[in-house]
Amino acid sequence: AQSVTQLDSHVSVSEGTPVLLRCNYSSSYSPSLFWYVQHPNKGLQLLLKYTSAATLVKGINGFEAEFKKSETSFHLTKPSAHMSDAAEYFCVVSDGNTGKLIFGQGTTLQVKP
Amino acid sequence: NAGVTQTPKFRILKIGQSMTLQCTQDMNHNYMYWYRQDPGMGLKLIYYSVGAGITDKGEVPNGYNVSRSTTEDFPLRLELAAPSQTSVYFCASSYREVNEQFFGPGTRLTVL
Repeated sequence: AQSVTQLDSHVSVSEGTPVLLRCNYSSSYSPSLFWYVQHPNKGLQLLLKYTSAATLVKGINGFEAEFKKSETSFHLTKPSAHMSDAAEYFCVVSDGNTGKLIFGQGTTLQVKP
Repeated sequence: NAGVTQTPKFRILKIGQSMTLQCTQDMNHNYMYWYRQDPGMGLKLIYYSVGAGITDKGEVPNGYNVSRSTTEDFPLRLELAAPSQTSVYFCASSYREVNEQFFGPGTRLTVL
């Protein structure tokens, strides 16, 4: 069965410094992986997705993630944090048969001025 | 395109009352989903549908019912509201099973 573990429940960075949000997955076959962002009191927005093409995936707002099969990881990075990046981030794996999404617990990103 | 729309945005129910959360998508997506999000948690799947007339249970279906009579609509029914159903409910849709899901803005439900 698929599962996702987000290794940090809370990450705090200063504006202009790099962001790293860590995600490990478990899947019995080649997974589809996603990062979603949720701003306070808003719905979820897709940041980026991996579906077995290039292992380095570029998303919106300068975010990118690298799929590493050997490490079963899909960490999210951004070179320089902006205040507007403060939000909840979810790493998600998809069940390929039904499209059901399995969510991680979420990582709260705090960006300090 | 409006995408995925949900009504109402907010609702307060008394224990034992019933209500229907509405979800509509205008993207002609076959797959539709209902999730609930409890404070500090990720989303949990309640029910999903792979096409009109076909629905199936997700991870937390107890206390809920769904129907899918059209491609566009996927209402979620709470028959006997309980405090444990206080949550934020999100509807989502996707074109295919491996595609990303598009989420509605959510319905915040409180059961007192």
